[in-house]
Amino acid sequence: KAGVTQTPRYLIKTRGQQVTLSCSPISGHRSVSWYQQTPGQGLQFLFEYFSETQRNKGNFPGRFSGRQFSNSRSEMNVSTLELGDSALYLCASSFGPRGTDTQYFGPGTRLTVL
Amino acid sequence: KQEVTQIPAALSVPEGENLVLNCSFTDSAIYNLQWFRQDPGKGLTSLLLIQSSQREQTSGRLNASLDKSSGRSTLYIAASQPGDSATYLCAVGTLTQGGSEKLVFGKGTKLTVNP
Repeated sequence: KAGVTQTPRYLIKTRGQQVTLSCSPISGHRSVSWYQQTPGQGLQFLFEYFSETQRNKGNFPGRFSGRQFSNSRSEMNVSTLELGDSALYLCASSFGPRGTDTQYFGPGTRLTVL
Repeated sequence: KQEVTQIPAALSVPEGENLVLNCSFTDSAIYNLQWFRQDPGKGLTSLLLIQSSQREQTSGRLNASLDKSSGRSTLYIAASQPGDSATYLCAVGTLTQGGSEKLVFGKGTKLTVNP
């Protein structure tokens, strides 16, 4: 079974631009969560989707948004990029609606904002 | 607000040594706790998941324990190998106000096993 895939793996943008990151969960998984990882803050929860509905959102500004499609694939968008948005963005999927399931992480998208 | 702390932040040991990584959390109302491994520049690999009703889980040379009442978990690695070198992250499953769940992560322990 293929794992969680994320595209692109690396991205370089300039301040003020916007970016869209993509995540394809493991086949059959319906829950997708997004995390931001930085050296200073560690891993921070962005949002979680289940069956195309956003169930939970972390403490991030409205510039960060996401969506999930009917095939469970998910995208996150960051508008008006800031230098502080440079980070590794990780996507995780799990099978069921409850967080008691193991989460499987993708390799991440490394975003650099210049 | 749930906070997760991992001590030590970094650990260097010789090959073959048994070691313990620590994780503490402030709110005991958790539904599970997971230990992950992260290699440099890579995503996370789930190592062990302990449900809130369990006390420990084992997988090969790894053993994780959970003491909800004291807000602590430990990851025991037996007979460490250079290939165990990575950052180990502890994550606590927390119920949100909206009824869904999210993981709150510690900042990790960077382990180096020297041959």
